[in-house]
Amino acid sequence: QSVLTQPPSVSAAPGQKVTISCSGSSSNIGNNYVSWYQQLPGTAPKLLIYDNNKRPSGIPDRFSGSKSGTSATLGITGLQTGDEADYYCGTWDSSLSAAVFGGGTQLTVL
Amino acid sequence: QLQLQESGPGLVKPSETLSLTCTVSGGSISSSSYYWGWIRQPPGKGLEWIGSIYYSGSTYYNPSLKSRVTISVDTSKNQFSLKLSSVTAADTAVYYCARGYSGYDVIDWFDPWGQGTLVTVSS
Repeated sequence: QSVLTQPPSVSAAPGQKVTISCSGSSSNIGNNYVSWYQQLPGTAPKLLIYDNNKRPSGIPDRFSGSKSGTSATLGITGLQTGDEADYYCGTWDSSLSAAVFGGGTQLTVL
Repeated sequence: QLQLQESGPGLVKPSETLSLTCTVSGGSISSSSYYWGWIRQPPGKGLEWIGSIYYSGSTYYNPSLKSRVTISVDTSKNQFSLKLSSVTAADTAVYYCARGYSGYDVIDWFDPWGQGTLVTVSS
């Protein structure tokens, strides 16, 4: 069981918007930065969002991140079939002194 | 462009020690503010952080694996390594190495990642 809780799956039509939630506690999300990763089928995870809401170079602005209290959200607008992937949130847990990830959310673009 | 590449046996017998090495190219492993780590993913499951090391040798380990894990660094070779002892079938996974950015004694995010290597534990 993951320290961070994500919905197992979400879906939306091409061109639409989707959000993926990540819920934690004061020892992790509440007091540390959140990052998001995209894992396309058969590939390694790729950093999408860091420091809650910053995008690495090369990541389109269709991807956004936010954090409020002990929860974080990844937003994807203008959905494309190429966005079909598993998405993971991650942060540091100060009580565990460990990096932790959510269980992952599978995005289906219908 | 920084790149990481995992190497090591793809098959390990139960009760033995899994050993992997990550070679860093395109940058120095001795860079400040970065920890070098291992993350694994069992088939069809999510990501599990194993541990990370700073170039000075300072380490963080996942509490659930700490008794079996050793991560070391060789700055002269720009490499870091993972040893996981007493493996069982539950340790079968794709093992990734990744660079972790450290702000204030925590690891904030991981980028880039190696391509991953599948390690199967079986007799």
